[in-house]
Amino acid sequence: GQQLNQSPQSMFIQEGEDVSMNCTSSSIFNTWLWYKQDPGEGPVLLIALYKAGELTSNGRLTAQFGITRKDSFLNISASIPSDVGIYFCAPLYSGGGADGLTFGKGTHLIIQP
Amino acid sequence: KAGVTQTPRYLIKTRGQQVTLSCSPISGHRSVSWYQQTPGQGLQFLFEYFSETQRNKGNFPGRFSGRQFSNSRSEMNVSTLELGDSALYLCASTKEGSYEQYFGPGTRLTVT
Repeated sequence: GQQLNQSPQSMFIQEGEDVSMNCTSSSIFNTWLWYKQDPGEGPVLLIALYKAGELTSNGRLTAQFGITRKDSFLNISASIPSDVGIYFCAPLYSGGGADGLTFGKGTHLIIQP
Repeated sequence: KAGVTQTPRYLIKTRGQQVTLSCSPISGHRSVSWYQQTPGQGLQFLFEYFSETQRNKGNFPGRFSGRQFSNSRSEMNVSTLELGDSALYLCASTKEGSYEQYFGPGTRLTVT
């Protein structure tokens, strides 16, 4: 079966620092989704990537779809307290329709005052 | 536009009982997927419904079932509850032709 590795597992950073996390897989995908989950809530879609090599930004967030189609990274610039949460990658290979997403184990982002 | 809603938000059941959870998708979204989230296993796909038909299914026992109604609202049922079924159950809706799934707040199920 496919293996999906998300790293780092957790990050302790200072407010204002930049953050970088990534996901790698043994399989290729044609879609990468990035989500953020706050405690007790459902994941919120941050960025969707559909083409290998694609670089997409959403405010302070930037994500890239790896050229090999087996990896993706998410960067957060100038972190603020509300960035705290768990970030998940969710790649998808689908010929059509909404197949079940496979989620990474998540990156816990903790911002130290 | 209202987001995905799930009811109830919290539920406590005892072993052996059954439970039904409800999900209302975003207006216009016809696909509804269900996921189980636990600290040990993370987010795992249960099943997906489109136009009242189960289109995809994850690797869960038959005690987990679902259905979708003509208005796209969906329910999932877990029979003969086990302690290990304690989890956050999330549903997500998707617009036809899109791969982007939008999640509800989840139902926190505790089995005692």
